[in-house]
Amino acid sequence: DVVLTQTPVSLLISLGGQASISCRSSQSLVHSNGNTYLHWYLQKPGQSPQLLIYQVSNRFSGIPDRFSGSGSGTDFTLKISRVEPEDLGVYYCLQRTHNPWTFGGGTKLELK
Amino acid sequence: EVQLVESGGGLVQPGRSLKLSCAASGFTFSNYGMHWIRQAPTKGLEWVASISPSGGSTYYRDSVKGRFTISRDNAKSTLYLQMDSLRSEDTATYYCATDLGWGQGVMVTVSS
Repeated sequence: DVVLTQTPVSLLISLGGQASISCRSSQSLVHSNGNTYLHWYLQKPGQSPQLLIYQVSNRFSGIPDRFSGSGSGTDFTLKISRVEPEDLGVYYCLQRTHNPWTFGGGTKLELK
Repeated sequence: EVQLVESGGGLVQPGRSLKLSCAASGFTFSNYGMHWIRQAPTKGLEWVASISPSGGSTYYRDSVKGRFTISRDNAKSTLYLQMDSLRSEDTATYYCATDLGWGQGVMVTVSS
C-alpha cells in the first residue's frame, strides 16, 4: 500500500499567521492517465472531514483562496495563509491514484 | 445542498452482522461513485470500500474482503454496507462519502 507521511504532526500557529503541511508519498502519485489524485481534507472538531483541495492544487467549491496546494510526484504541500479560528482541526492528505486509497496520519493545527 | 445521512450503526457482538445505510440527496446519486471510510476512536481515516456509479464495480480493502459488501440502490439514492463476521478491529465511525461531500458518520462498536 502507498504510505503517506504527513509532517508536522502538530502545528501551533498564531491567528493571521501562515501554516505549511507536507505530505510525502512512498511512490509516485501520477496516475497512468496523467492526473495526480492527491487531495487535502480538514476535519474540524466533532465534524466529518471536508474537502479543501483536489488533485494537488484545485480548491473545492467555497474554499477560500487562503488555502493553496502544490507539489508533484511524491512531494506535496498545503499552505494556509492568514489563519482564522475556523481553520483549526486536523488536516489529512488522501491519495486516490493507487488502490487501496490511503490517508496521511494527519496534522493538528492549533492556536498559539 | 448535498446531504448524506448514515444509519444502522450500534453495538454488536464479534462474529455478528450489521448493515449500514446512507441516504443521499441534493445531487444526482446515480452519477457518482460512492465510498465508505472509517475512523477508529481517536485514530486516523481508513478507506473501506467503493462502488461505481452503476454499481457494476466494487472495491474493498484487504481486511474487509469477503466480510463486507458494498451496494447501492440508485432508484432510492441509497448506499449500503453489509458487514458480516464483525471483529473488534472494525469498531469505528463509518462515513459515507462522495466527491461532493461526506456524511456525519455512524458509530459501529464490536464488543462482547
